[in-house]
Amino acid sequence: QSALTQPASVSGSPGQSITISCTGTSSDVGGYKYVSWYQQHPGKAPKLMIYEVSNRPSGVSNRFSGSKSGNTASLTISGLQAEDEADYYCSSYATSSTLFGGGTKLTVL
Amino acid sequence: QVQLVESGGGVVQPGRSLRLSCAASGFTFSTYGMHWVRQAPGKGLEWVAVISYDGSNEYYGDSVKGRFTISRDNSKNTLYLQMNSLRAEDTAVYYCAKGRMTLDYWGQGTLVTVSS
Repeated sequence: QSALTQPASVSGSPGQSITISCTGTSSDVGGYKYVSWYQQHPGKAPKLMIYEVSNRPSGVSNRFSGSKSGNTASLTISGLQAEDEADYYCSSYATSSTLFGGGTKLTVL
Repeated sequence: QVQLVESGGGVVQPGRSLRLSCAASGFTFSTYGMHWVRQAPGKGLEWVAVISYDGSNEYYGDSVKGRFTISRDNSKNTLYLQMNSLRAEDTAVYYCAKGRMTLDYWGQGTLVTVSS
């Protein structure tokens, strides 16, 4: 049950786009469509932003998008806004478990 | 609307036990798998356990296997986490979350501190 690999931090200026990667293996990210992304502000519970690789829950801005290629999934945030500054976690279903990435701190400059 | 409210956290000595509860409302609890996920202070999310909608299947993270037990009472719309042989490294905020493949709603969490 190894964690998925994410960059520790990314940053961007308002209006720019950023991409956060999430690398796993063929037994998790690469093997299933069940990759999710969560946003967490300090002191708050995680919030689902993307599910099943590229789907947005109702109410989530279309500035958030997801994709996957092989064993790596990606979250892209376009038109960065100050309120996007938060920690982001990827997650993947794996047989008999669920894996999380280590988290990426997004700083909006 | 979906609501998940955790309770039962607190300060406990190493080696002791604690049971967490998660009261669910706003959805048909008995038709969804449920998870426990924890977050140590200043750290990332760590998956703890999952239970199927009917309680027939349970899976655990390696760090809690054999010490923690997830269970549910569908008649009470409540999820539980029985934590035994607690260690300092179990100190964390514990979240319950709805769903099996996707954790689509999360509670606000309950803090467990293991300390002598």
